[in-house]
Amino acid sequence: EIVLTQSPGTLSLSPGERATLSCRASQSVSSSYLAWYQQKPGQAPRLLIYGASSRATGIPDRFSGSGSGTDFTLTISRLEPEDFAVYYCQQYGSSSPDFGGGTKVEIK
Amino acid sequence: EVQLLESGGGLVQPGGSLRLSCAASGFTFSSYAMSWVRQAPGKGLEWVSSINSGAGSTYYADSVRGRFTISRDNSKNTLYLQMNSLRAEDTAVYYCAKPGAETIFGLVIPRYYFDFWGQGTLVTVSS
Repeated sequence: EIVLTQSPGTLSLSPGERATLSCRASQSVSSSYLAWYQQKPGQAPRLLIYGASSRATGIPDRFSGSGSGTDFTLTISRLEPEDFAVYYCQQYGSSSPDFGGGTKVEIK
Repeated sequence: EVQLLESGGGLVQPGGSLRLSCAASGFTFSSYAMSWVRQAPGKGLEWVSSINSGAGSTYYADSVRGRFTISRDNSKNTLYLQMNSLRAEDTAVYYCAKPGAETIFGLVIPRYYFDFWGQGTLVTVSS
C-alpha cells in the first residue's frame, strides 16, 4: 500500500488567488501514475489530472499538475467561485489504487 | 455521453447482504475494466474492487476481500457488487467508476485512474 499525504488539510483563499495543493507518497509512484480529483458536496468526484500532469477532457487550463517520484502538486492559477471544493490525489501505479485524505479549498 | 447509473443501495443489518448494480451506457462497456469506489459519510475516497474487461481478473481491497464479489454482464452492460457479511464500517456511498485506458498496439490497457463516475448509491449497515 502506498500512503498519500495531502497538505494542507484546509486552504483558505479568495477568488482570483493561486492555490497550491501538495500530495506526498510514502514510496515512489511508478510512471507518475498520479491523478487529481475535485469533489463538491453531494456530487461524485470529477477527474482533473492524470499521469501527474495531463488534464482530463474539458478541464480548464487554470488547473495544472506537476511532480514525480514521491512529491506531486496541483496548482489552480486563479481561483474561480466554482473551484471551492475538496481535492483528492490518487496513485494508480501499484496493485491497488490509493487515495489521499483530501484538501479542502474554502473561501476566505 | 458516458453514463453510469448505480442502484441497489439501502439499509441492511450487520451480517446481511446486498447486491449493487451499475448500468453503463455511452461507451463500449465490454472493452473496459470497471471499478467500485466508496466514501463513508464525511470521509475520503476508498477503492473497493476492480474487474477487467473480460471478467477474467478481479481485484479487491484488503478491507472487503472474502466478503465482496465484483462481476459483470457484458451482454447487459452492467457491473455488479455482491456484498456479504456486511459491517457497520461498510456504510458508505458506493460509486461505480470507469478506469481510464491507453491503447497500445490496438490493445486497450486499463489505467486505474477514474475518468467517469456514477452518482453513487448509499449503503447503510445498521441494526
